[in-house]
Amino acid sequence: DVKVTQSSRYLVKRTGEKVFLECVQDMDHENMFWYRQDPGLGLRLIYFSYDVKMKEKGDIPEGYSVSREKKERFSLILESASTNQTSMYLCASRGRADTQYFGPGTRLTVL
Amino acid sequence: AQSVTQPDIHITVSEGASLELRCNYSYGATPYLFWYVQSPGQGLQLLLKYFSGDTLVQGIKGFEAEFKRSQSSFNLRKPSVHWSDAAEYFCAVAPRFNNAGNMLTFGGGTRLMVKP
Repeated sequence: DVKVTQSSRYLVKRTGEKVFLECVQDMDHENMFWYRQDPGLGLRLIYFSYDVKMKEKGDIPEGYSVSREKKERFSLILESASTNQTSMYLCASRGRADTQYFGPGTRLTVL
Repeated sequence: AQSVTQPDIHITVSEGASLELRCNYSYGATPYLFWYVQSPGQGLQLLLKYFSGDTLVQGIKGFEAEFKRSQSSFNLRKPSVHWSDAAEYFCAVAPRFNNAGNMLTFGGGTRLMVKP
């Protein structure tokens, strides 16, 4: 079974803090993704990566950056957290098939 | 731009009753189509997908979905709902080209509640 893990299930941060969300997959997948999930809006793609050190902007990249130094790990970075970044963040990975596999999510609250 | 609409934000059904969750998409060409389920506190799990062939697709947990090109729809169905089916359901589409799986567009989700 594909396993995608995220470093925290719940996180509380203060406005202006730098926040790191970590995602690890164990299936040697080339492609990894970060989404945010908000009620009524479904999932929206923030960034994705199709290889180590490669990244592409998704639909809502503003205020976020990413890092992929190793194939199995994809980090989402909030350089200066703001209250409007309070959300559920979901990581996913995909191999050669067209199916994305998701982690359990990190619920981030920015105060 | 492509879009996915799930018209029902909330649906409540009685246990044992049948279920249909609606999904409509707006796209230039027939996309790849997916249904995911998210149980409380969990990530998304793939229920089923349609790429080509038979327009009635069988998935896990007794779910099926039917692709109707003329209606740009991909509705999810289950003949008899169980209490454990209470969750949020997401329809998603992706374009038909290489690396299509990278370009998922999600609907807003439908939250299903099941009455005993």
